[in-house]
Amino acid sequence: NAGVTQTPKFQVLKTGQSMTLQCAQDMNHNSMYWYRQDPGMGLRLIYYSASEGTTDKGEVPNGYNVSRLNKREFSLRLESAAPSQTSVYFCASSEAPSGVQETQYFGPGTRLLVL
Amino acid sequence: AQSVSQHNHHVILSEAASLELGCNYSYGGTVNLFWYVQYPGQHLQLLLKYFSGDPLVKGIKGFEAEFIKSKFSFNLRKPSVQWSDTAEYFCAVIPKAAGNKLTFGGGTRVLVKP
Repeated sequence: NAGVTQTPKFQVLKTGQSMTLQCAQDMNHNSMYWYRQDPGMGLRLIYYSASEGTTDKGEVPNGYNVSRLNKREFSLRLESAAPSQTSVYFCASSEAPSGVQETQYFGPGTRLLVL
Repeated sequence: AQSVSQHNHHVILSEAASLELGCNYSYGGTVNLFWYVQYPGQHLQLLLKYFSGDPLVKGIKGFEAEFIKSKFSFNLRKPSVQWSDTAEYFCAVIPKAAGNKLTFGGGTRVLVKP
């Protein structure tokens, strides 16, 4: 099993450009999550999907949209990138919704630089 | 605001020294607790977790953590570190009364000198 995979690994954008970060998991997990990691702030939840067909906002959703394409895939879209969105983005998945004694498994991350 | 606090941002120590990283949370009620580790250039991996039962939890690579409910703490320990323990360590909490979201502390960067 590959676990949780993310593409791309690195990306440089200019302010105002758009892009989609892709995430896929092969563990047949129901729940998927997008986080951003910034120095000294740990990981903050952007959006999550408790099950196929549902999405909900996390702590820092502004400037992002998500799509739960199917059970395996959960994409994060930046419609108009801003320098404040420079960060490392992590996708994660868990078998059941967070809080039901479930461990989240993380992907390798995407480093995004917005100029 | 409810939060997870890791008091040390950076820790530098020599091989064979003992390590203790502090984690405090501000949520009342039932919580699930985790420590994750991120080795240089790698993704987050689960070190250990506490859901219920014995408050002293043993994880991988010789790490352990103790849940002290009265102190709202979940400190991570390792009696003797190795150079390969150089990493960033994150405490995380799922408070059942706060929407079941996994909330991370700010992380502690640990550098072990050979």
